[in-house]
Amino acid sequence: NAGVTQTPKFQVLKTGQSMTLQCAQDMNHNSMYWYRQDPGMGLRLIYYSASEGTTDKGEVPNGYNVSRLNKREFSLRLESAAPSQTSVYFCASSEAPPGRSGNTEAFFGQGTRLTVV
Amino acid sequence: AQSVTQPDIHITVSEGASLELRCNYSYGATPYLFWYVQSPGQGLQLLLKYFSGDTLVQGIKGFEAEFKRSQSSFNLRKPSVHWSDAAEYFCAVGPVSGGYNKLIFGAGTRLAVHP
Repeated sequence: NAGVTQTPKFQVLKTGQSMTLQCAQDMNHNSMYWYRQDPGMGLRLIYYSASEGTTDKGEVPNGYNVSRLNKREFSLRLESAAPSQTSVYFCASSEAPPGRSGNTEAFFGQGTRLTVV
Repeated sequence: AQSVTQPDIHITVSEGASLELRCNYSYGATPYLFWYVQSPGQGLQLLLKYFSGDTLVQGIKGFEAEFKRSQSSFNLRKPSVHWSDAAEYFCAVGPVSGGYNKLIFGAGTRLAVHP
């Protein structure tokens, strides 16, 4: 069972470079999320996609863009990386968004550790 | 605004001792509540969740949590800790107030277990 798969697992970027973090889930979930994890701050939501074809900003969207390519895939793009974007990035998916009927348990990928120098 | 507070950043217990991790939330209605565990270098795994009904919920790995509305708390407990429980634990709240909502996470509690 693959669950949620993120690539790459590690990445080092120079300031100003761009990159795309890939995420795919094989659980036929409707909702997908991108979080960043920083020491002492827990997980903060960057963007989410409640269903295929929709995306919305979370708590910390500045400097990021997302694409819900299809039901399985949800990518996160850094157009011009900055040192403040050094973090661990987690993709997650759930059958239904929190607050809606249905299974709102979020399943997480293994994370991408990104360093911007 | 909704928020989650985990007052303890680090906790150290001896193997075999009991454990309680605290979680307090600020929310205007009954929230959906979750506890996740993160082992080093891994993603987050759901331990247990509370949506409604019985306020004492059982989870995986011998964990349980109790929802106390009057105290706005959802503390995680385990009667006897194993060395493999050393990890970081996150409490999360799922808002229910309309629209497409999201999980709000606490800052986490890092648990160390002494042999």
